[in-house]
Amino acid sequence: DQQVKQNSPSLSVQEGRISILNCDYTNSMFDYFLWYKKYPAEGPTFLISISSIKDKNEDGRFTVFLNKSAKHLSLHIVPSQPGDSAVYFCAASVGTYKYIFGTGTRLKVLA
Amino acid sequence: DVKVTQSSRYLVKRTGEKVFLECVQDMDHENMFWYRQDPGLGLRLIYFSYDVKMKEKGDIPEGYSVSREKKERFSLILESASTNQTSMYLCASANPGQGLYEQYFGPGTRLTVT
Repeated sequence: DQQVKQNSPSLSVQEGRISILNCDYTNSMFDYFLWYKKYPAEGPTFLISISSIKDKNEDGRFTVFLNKSAKHLSLHIVPSQPGDSAVYFCAASVGTYKYIFGTGTRLKVLA
Repeated sequence: DVKVTQSSRYLVKRTGEKVFLECVQDMDHENMFWYRQDPGLGLRLIYFSYDVKMKEKGDIPEGYSVSREKKERFSLILESASTNQTSMYLCASANPGQGLYEQYFGPGTRLTVT
């Protein structure tokens, strides 16, 4: 049973445009959410996070939105750059040190 | 900067061999984790440790064991490697006691079992 789902395995976006990556979850007890970026042959690197008491968190070009009623999380990248091309994972936690990761979305930013 | 290192980037082992994957972190983090990453399945937690000599099973512990004798080092052991354990193995560390929940990952070990 996949508690955290990323239903789009891949996404292509033109450079300069907005990239929107989506994540859905089923466990309403999750209280902390994170996004990671992964380049080939490297480990994932932390990008941005949000607590369940917030609905938005922003860090430069990256914004994460949380819609608790819909159990939906999204990552917006504006403007998208070719260096953003990577696999993006969302992850959720329920007050422990244990995270459930989604299956990932491969973003390709076209120059 | 937090640094998490893994002993090998690529490893090829035969079925039935005992395999050791080593992970070292240099930031005095309390928690350490072992994941495997497979296409279409994302990252799945094998084991984690919240203190020296303490461990908890993750979602897929079968066929694996772990050891944490020192705070900075967390080892994953495949007791008798099988072909379905061919995967990318990722180690991570974190220090939620500081209110920072993000995990820091090593570069990964791609293990092939033939």
